[in-house]
Amino acid sequence: DAGVTQSPTHLIKTRGQQVTLRCSPKSGHDTVSWYQQALGQGPQFIFQYYEEEERQRGNFPDRFSGHQFPNYSSELNVNALLLGDSALYLCASRLVGYNEQFFGPGTRLTVL
Amino acid sequence: DQQVKQNSPSLSVQEGRISILNCDYTNSMFDYFLWYKKYPAEGPTFLISISSIKDKNEDGRFTVFLNKSAKHLSLHIVPSQPGDSAVYFCAASVSGGYQKVTFGTGTKLQVIP
Repeated sequence: DAGVTQSPTHLIKTRGQQVTLRCSPKSGHDTVSWYQQALGQGPQFIFQYYEEEERQRGNFPDRFSGHQFPNYSSELNVNALLLGDSALYLCASRLVGYNEQFFGPGTRLTVL
Repeated sequence: DQQVKQNSPSLSVQEGRISILNCDYTNSMFDYFLWYKKYPAEGPTFLISISSIKDKNEDGRFTVFLNKSAKHLSLHIVPSQPGDSAVYFCAASVSGGYQKVTFGTGTKLQVIP
């Protein structure tokens, strides 16, 4: 049973560029959430997708957008990258209505 | 506005002793609490959770205690083992539906052999 997978593992971009991160949820899960974890901080909630719609959103600007596909996989897009966007981006999946989330290994984004 | 707080950035404990990690929250709407463990270069791993209708939940060496009146929870690890060395995150949510999970800043536990 594959857990949550994310790609790529690492990514280096320059300011102003755009990036797309990908996530495949754990088998049987239908809800995907994205988190940003800056160095020395806890994961910060970006948004959550269920049935291909954004259901909840944290305090992140519109430069952060996402998508969920019919197979429940998801993408996180960040436009006009800033140095401060450098972080570990985590994807988590669960069954809607259940509290326990399962995390992927994350994508380390570095913005130069 | 940090709604979930872990005021101890680090903790060192001897192998075999008890590790106690603390967490405070400010949002009265939170009714479900979770602890995650994170090793370097890995995503957080779910450890144990507790609903607000309980004040204690045990799973093997791990016990979580919840004091709703104080808005405080703690994770006890007994006995502590070197493999427990990791960063521990406390998290809270309002259960059901499309709830978002709010994390604390983490406590780095080092278990000394």
